[in-house]
Amino acid sequence: EAGVAQSPRYKIIEKRQSVAFWCNPISGHATLYWYQQILGQGPKLLIQFQNNGVVDDSQLPKDRFSAERLKGVDSTLKIQPAKLEDSAVYLCASSAQGASEQYFGPGTRLTVT
Amino acid sequence: KNEVEQSPQNLTAQEGEFITINCSYSVGISALHWLQQHPGGGIVSLFMLSSGKKKHGRLIATINIQEKHSSLHITASHPRDSAVYICAVSQGNQFYFGTGTSLTVIP
Repeated sequence: EAGVAQSPRYKIIEKRQSVAFWCNPISGHATLYWYQQILGQGPKLLIQFQNNGVVDDSQLPKDRFSAERLKGVDSTLKIQPAKLEDSAVYLCASSAQGASEQYFGPGTRLTVT
Repeated sequence: KNEVEQSPQNLTAQEGEFITINCSYSVGISALHWLQQHPGGGIVSLFMLSSGKKKHGRLIATINIQEKHSSLHITASHPRDSAVYICAVSQGNQFYFGTGTSLTVIP
């Protein structure tokens, strides 16, 4: 079974630029999560999708961050414009509907200079 | 106050030592998870448990629901065990994460 795929693995941009990350969850997983993990901290949930609907986006900085999962499969997370404090690893995870176990992708390490 | 607290934050051990990482939580849970994160960033699920004890190779995870406490033990530690170990709890599909314990095992 293929795992959660993410791309790119690394990205370096200047502040005020835009960036997009892509995630393809495990086939059949209804729930998809985007997390932000700043160095030395645990993952922080940015947004949670159930199929193509948003379940929780309370911690998503909506003035600059957006995410979509239009067909209920893969998802894109965008930052526009980026700030220095957005430097982090962005993790995507998925889980089967009703299941507690999450499967994580390899993450995208973003550096904003 | 975080919903999930881990200790210690950092841990250095000699190869072969027995290691314990502790996790306390303050919310009702459907399951507790121990995750391993290597420097590359990817996270691997080690255990998911809701009661008792689970063992996988040299790793043992225990949970005490009444005390809202869990421990992860590593027996006969090895340098390849060096990683960040994260405790997380779930309420259905909602997760709360600890800040992680950074373990370094010295040969």
